[in-house]
Amino acid sequence: DTGVSQDPRHKITKRGQNVTFRCDPISEHNRLYWYRQTLGQGPEFLTYFQNEAQLEKSRLLSDRFSAERPKGSFSTLEIQRTEQGDSAMYLCASSILNTEAFFGQGTRLTVV
Amino acid sequence: AQTVTQSQPEMSVQEAETVTLSCTYDTSESNYYLFWYKQPPSRQMILVIRQEAYKQQNATENRFSVNFQKAAKSFSLKISDSQLGDTAMYFCAFMKHGTGNQFYFGTGTSLTVIP
Repeated sequence: DTGVSQDPRHKITKRGQNVTFRCDPISEHNRLYWYRQTLGQGPEFLTYFQNEAQLEKSRLLSDRFSAERPKGSFSTLEIQRTEQGDSAMYLCASSILNTEAFFGQGTRLTVV
Repeated sequence: AQTVTQSQPEMSVQEAETVTLSCTYDTSESNYYLFWYKQPPSRQMILVIRQEAYKQQNATENRFSVNFQKAAKSFSLKISDSQLGDTAMYFCAFMKHGTGNQFYFGTGTSLTVIP
């Protein structure tokens, strides 16, 4: 499968714990995006990278959220000190510049 | 700020029939793009159709077509000859020109195709 891959698919964590999600984009795609989708809502843009540069991060939800793409390939999204309101599906997408974005299946986070 | 509104949380259609999903948006931008994405159950989102705001001609992709009314800020999706595989959540999305895939999504319409 050469699509966007996200790991893990499901994560259950206790409130206050840190969690990290990984996204592997389609191999030739230089842009990578993170979105959050809460129940009953459409996806909400969080941040994106072009190669290793994080070009937009003002829409990250709080300073507990951070993302990296150190070598311009895979990316990680970390949430520190998780709260119940962080329970959501976290989606990753990738593209070649401004062309069509392809989405992964997401990581479903449950904070208990 | 941009907002996208989908006022139909759920819809159903008989197989082989036609259904129209509604979407309205609000923006002060003049140069933008509109999209419909499909999210099947437990599957990733896929692009259904895209419309550039500067184009007056409505986009068409096989059984999928849009009715883009720029002045009314309306962007509806018509699915003809509905198939069981069309059952999914459908999201309308807005993107400002030059912001590369930074979408604003609506809340979605859950479409069920009935055999």
